[in-house]
Amino acid sequence: SQQGEEDPQALSIQEGENATMNCSYKTSINNLQWYRQNSGRGLVHLILIRSNEREKHSGRLRVTLDTSKKSSSLLITASRAADTASYFCATVPSGGGADGLTFGKGTHLIIQP
Amino acid sequence: NAGVMQNPRHLVRRRGQEARLRCSPMKGHSHVYWYRQLPEEGLKFMVYLQKENIIDESGMPKERFSAEFPKEGPSILRIQQVVRGDSAAYFCASSGTAGWVEKLFFGSGTQLSVL
Repeated sequence: SQQGEEDPQALSIQEGENATMNCSYKTSINNLQWYRQNSGRGLVHLILIRSNEREKHSGRLRVTLDTSKKSSSLLITASRAADTASYFCATVPSGGGADGLTFGKGTHLIIQP
Repeated sequence: NAGVMQNPRHLVRRRGQEARLRCSPMKGHSHVYWYRQLPEEGLKFMVYLQKENIIDESGMPKERFSAEFPKEGPSILRIQQVVRGDSAAYFCASSGTAGWVEKLFFGSGTQLSVL
């Protein structure tokens, strides 16, 4: 069964605004990862947050994890046109197992200049 | 320090032909993963390999699809007798540690088009 499900499916904001994307998942996880994909390219890893962590920062990115609600959020502050891409969350189930890193369908983010 | 290299970038095949997709992991990585992506969809796991071993192939169709990662050379994803439904982007990723406990490094993908 599919794990990470991103919300919203698409998001369009003005440059300089903050963008927030959410991810919900179904089963216990070892870690949750966020990736970015530019059109026609491979995925680029952004942040990994482990099940015992609640928040992580990397530059303009902030990720939170709420294991009680089985949800995570990705916040991009002061957005730039170059942030336009699809953003995917991916989960690794606790105990490993089959399927490994399972991706959602992504949030397509458009930054309007 | 080259990243994950995939080739070809684009591959066009007619129905019934064979498709061979290649992936060279990052230097020092011995774990390779193959994913398939349909338009407007997320990536679907296919197979996880280490050198000379298939660790998990639970996401790979039982027929027509096979994967290998030999001791020397790139990992190969092979699709025999391709059908139109095989048209997709195929991504390879690698990691230096077992499983998915650390981040994956992805290649740029091979876009397979079946005519």
